[in-house]
Amino acid sequence: ETGVTQTPRHLVMGMTNKKSLKCEQHLGHNAMYWYKQSAKKPLELMFVYSLEERVENNSVPSRFSPECPNSSHLFLHLHTLQPEDSALYLCASSQDQTADTQYFGPGTRLTVL
Amino acid sequence: AQTVTQSQPEMSVQEAETVTLSCTYDTSESDYYLFWYKQPPSRQMILVIRQEAYKQQNATENRFSVNFQKAAKSFSLKISDSQLGDAAMYFCAYRSPGANSKLTFGKGITLSVRP
Repeated sequence: ETGVTQTPRHLVMGMTNKKSLKCEQHLGHNAMYWYKQSAKKPLELMFVYSLEERVENNSVPSRFSPECPNSSHLFLHLHTLQPEDSALYLCASSQDQTADTQYFGPGTRLTVL
Repeated sequence: AQTVTQSQPEMSVQEAETVTLSCTYDTSESDYYLFWYKQPPSRQMILVIRQEAYKQQNATENRFSVNFQKAAKSFSLKISDSQLGDAAMYFCAYRSPGANSKLTFGKGITLSVRP
């Protein structure tokens, strides 16, 4: 596979569940990002990782916990979510944190019941 | 803080015709980057075109071109010879140079193409 991949593509979970979203990039990039896309709203940047270190936490609730074990993989661990957290979660990567162009994955459509 | 405004939520174009999608932004910086991203129903966000603010020449990528008006802080996307595959959401985005800069998106516009 090439580019940025995300799994699962769709996820339905209850408020008491724990689940994880996975992102993998095959571009040799050093920076990775999590975005939240809600209907009728601009994309919201959640987290930024550069060389596996978190460099940005954009006031995201602690029920979202990112993990970057290496420069190719990024996870978003979810626990005790709320229905308003239902959204499309997009992962992106860029050559490095200074690069102006980001490449996006297909997203995970999350529904919290 | 930078903001990006896409005031039209929806637009429609006849196949083979030309359509222009509007975008304005607000910034106090003189050097920055502007982008148009396309998000088809499959949801993969794809970069369509990018413009560097210090370049006066408008960027062009095949049927896609921009009209960059720096003084007016306007960055519109023109799609020529529209095709059915152009139907998607289009997002305008802004980014300052530098390591800690974020990519700021507009709300997007839904483009439909009529056969």
